[in-house]
Amino acid sequence: SQQGEEDPQALSIQEGENATMNCSYKTSINNLQWYRQNSGRGLVHLILIRSNEREKHSGRLRVTLDTSKKSSSLLITASRAADTASYFCATEENQGGKLIFGQGTELSVKP
Amino acid sequence: DAGVIQSPRHEVTEMGQEVTLRCKPISGHNSLFWYRQTMMRGLELLIYFNNNVPIDDSGMPEDRFSAKMPNASFSTLKIQPSEPRDSAVYFCASTFRAQVYNSPLHFGNGTRLTVT
Repeated sequence: SQQGEEDPQALSIQEGENATMNCSYKTSINNLQWYRQNSGRGLVHLILIRSNEREKHSGRLRVTLDTSKKSSSLLITASRAADTASYFCATEENQGGKLIFGQGTELSVKP
Repeated sequence: DAGVIQSPRHEVTEMGQEVTLRCKPISGHNSLFWYRQTMMRGLELLIYFNNNVPIDDSGMPEDRFSAKMPNASFSTLKIQPSEPRDSAVYFCASTFRAQVYNSPLHFGNGTRLTVT
């Protein structure tokens, strides 16, 4: 069964606005990762946050992790049309190292 | 760096035929994952290998599916016989894992399989 559940399933915003996506999971994890997928392509890694970290930044990306609530959020600030893609969270289980993906959020940024 | 290379990019076959998908991981990576992506089920982990050894194949849907990694630079996913419900995009991904994990996956561009 899928580990991560994401919401919203789809998000449509205007260029310049911020986009927030949320991810919840079920079991104990080593880390949580966010990936991006453009149509017809493979997934591209964006950012990884370890289980002992609470917040991480990379450029316009900000990720938070709350292990007590088993949830994470991805914030993209000052969005651009080129950010249009599907975004997935993935959790690495600390038993066995499986990396399990959520269903994804489809982000559309309108110019 | 050539990235993870998958072949073929597209495969159309008839029900009952054998299908073989191929993957070349990034040189130096020691973990390899096979995923399947469909609209209904999203991204499903089928199997993964560490140092060419299958670690977890609990996601392989049934005996018609098999995967091998004969060496560090090549893996195959075989479906025999194929069925229309196997139609999906199959992704291979690799990473380098030391004793402590926390390493991102590098994905290939996938093989789009259509079984008619």
